[in-house]
Amino acid sequence: GQNIDQPTEMTATEGAIVQINCTYQTSGFNGLFWYQQHAGEAPTFLSYNVLDGLEEKGRFSSFLSRSKGYSYLLLKELQMKDSASYLCAVRDQGFQKLVFGTGTRLLVSP
Amino acid sequence: DAGVTQSPTHLIKTRGQQVTLRCSPKSGHDTVSWYQQALGQGPQFIFQYYEEEERQRGNFPDRFSGHQFPNYSSELNVNALLLGDSALYLCASSLLSGGSNEQFFGPGTRLTVL
Repeated sequence: GQNIDQPTEMTATEGAIVQINCTYQTSGFNGLFWYQQHAGEAPTFLSYNVLDGLEEKGRFSSFLSRSKGYSYLLLKELQMKDSASYLCAVRDQGFQKLVFGTGTRLLVSP
Repeated sequence: DAGVTQSPTHLIKTRGQQVTLRCSPKSGHDTVSWYQQALGQGPQFIFQYYEEEERQRGNFPDRFSGHQFPNYSSELNVNALLLGDSALYLCASSLLSGGSNEQFFGPGTRLTVL
């Protein structure tokens, strides 16, 4: 089976750092993606990890441990516009099918 | 360079009706995947098309069918609509061969079934 878990909701303060965790159990693995989705809009790509370790991209970083089936998305210097849902998705082995978690709704307050 | 486009933006249907949603992939992309996203949930994979054939299918009934045209655009058809089919339908395009790992999502079609 395929199972991806992430917290339902998180809150943080503007300027702070927040870490969103994702654990997965999937039959195949060909990379892990993080997407941002504002309400009523399409998901937009944030990061991609296929090897263990940290990928940094500006204020956003993503970490992967394949042996633990674990990833996190780190958001630094939070801004109000970062209030959105963050989706963790695993790509199926050999195909491009993405299996998504239910998403983490992040609320950034002043 | 146009990104992924979908039409229509919104659609209201009644139970039992049929609907067709359309998607044009990002320029240069050859693969189209369709996802259903219910309110408060993550997107669920419906199926994927490449070279005008369905390559992979998720856990959706046969009421959901699709097509890909020679220009790589795609349609999603849903027959005998149920109330539970109300959702945001997302199309994602990608390049099967090549170095990009990203799937680009379109703005989606919001389907409401009454």
